[in-house]
Amino acid sequence: GAVVSQHPSWVICKSGTSVKIECRSLDFQATTMFWYRQFPKQSLMLMATSNEGSKATYEQGVEKDKFLINHASLTLSTLTVTSAHPEDSSFYICSARPPGSFSPNEQFFGPGTRLTVL
Amino acid sequence: GENVEQHPSTLSVQEGDSAVIKCTYSDSASNYFPWYKQELGKRPQLIIDIRSNVGEKKDQRIAVTLNKTAKHFSLHITETQPEDSAVYFCAASLNSGYSTLTFGKGTMLLVSP
Repeated sequence: GAVVSQHPSWVICKSGTSVKIECRSLDFQATTMFWYRQFPKQSLMLMATSNEGSKATYEQGVEKDKFLINHASLTLSTLTVTSAHPEDSSFYICSARPPGSFSPNEQFFGPGTRLTVL
Repeated sequence: GENVEQHPSTLSVQEGDSAVIKCTYSDSASNYFPWYKQELGKRPQLIIDIRSNVGEKKDQRIAVTLNKTAKHFSLHITETQPEDSAVYFCAASLNSGYSTLTFGKGTMLLVSP
């Protein structure tokens, strides 16, 4: 149980285009999902908390107009990188928190999406 | 906000040896401390976690200890195997449904045969 998927697993795009990344909880409903960014050989940096049916909560320094998050259902959250630039190239990972977990903050991660902006 | 420091950044051991990774945190209100293992290009996998009402937790070759007074916690891996080679991240948070995880910078563990 507690399986999280992401699509696509990798994407290459031209500078200035927008890219959408999907995060799905496959066997549970997740009212809360998280989006992280991970640069090579670095830690996971939380970008935003995605809440089903409401606006996402962005971490300090993360541009909400550039990284659009939509959590339209209990099993799907999307991250859209708008007007992507080479510095946005990174590994984007989502996580979801299953309900009823003994540890309320236990998170299960998706496999990640490698974004390369040319 | 919470700040988590993790040491060492790299750790090389021989197969069969023990490995210890240490983390400190700043927010005394934090009470949930998970450890994740991440292989290259893959997702972080939760390997063990501990809550502040427990001082030590063990799962086969893996154990975590927590010193809440000193605000530090450690991961212990005994009888290391080459497949233990990965990056390990510690994290800290409040054990509530409304809190977020703050991660350490990671430790690259290399186990040589």
